[in-house]
Amino acid sequence: DAKTTQPPSMDCAEGRAANLPCNHSTISGNEYVYWYRQIHSQGPQYIIHGLKNNETNEMASLIITEDRKSSTLILPHATLRDTAVYYCIVRGLQGAQKLVFGQGTRLTINP
Amino acid sequence: DTAVSQTPKYLVTQMGNDKSIKCEQNLGHDTMYWYKQDSKKFLKIMFSYNNKELIINETVPNRFSPKSPDKAHLNLHINSLELGDSAVYFCASSIGQGVHSPLHFGNGTRLTVT
Repeated sequence: DAKTTQPPSMDCAEGRAANLPCNHSTISGNEYVYWYRQIHSQGPQYIIHGLKNNETNEMASLIITEDRKSSTLILPHATLRDTAVYYCIVRGLQGAQKLVFGQGTRLTINP
Repeated sequence: DTAVSQTPKYLVTQMGNDKSIKCEQNLGHDTMYWYKQDSKKFLKIMFSYNNKELIINETVPNRFSPKSPDKAHLNLHINSLELGDSAVYFCASSIGQGVHSPLHFGNGTRLTVT
């Protein structure tokens, strides 16, 4: 499975858009990009996933570059409750549930 | 509330003891998992069950034995606990096993072995 690289930490002002980058330069054609987040003392929470098209749901938007080597998770109007560790994970069709969470990005939303 | 619930939330025990962690989901999902988050915060899968059948077993010591009495429950029994077993254990469930089946996690059981 493709490895992912994320910045260890980021800050964002409350009410602004938070843009979290992820590099996955070795991604293969049938691998999906997933985003989860983990708020302190809670279990991971699914946010969004995609293959090659941009995706949007009630929580966030996922922008995947045309070459699929990187992606950006966008939280359009960050709130203090969005402070969490955000994980970018790449998985293929086989073993899609064997998610391996790396270090992620610790996003802090500041008032 | 619909959720994945684990008990206990905290578990402190001594080396050599046997302990169990229970997990229940009322989401109607047919696949359940145990994940382990170590001290470095890496989260990795241990087991997965689909309709009470074991489908993933990720080179976990055989001191760890999952048991699924029905598809809404997946318990984790650990024999002869060791210091290195100290971690946070997360139960999760999903509606299926495909790429479009996100995992729903419980809030974890923090196990401390002394």
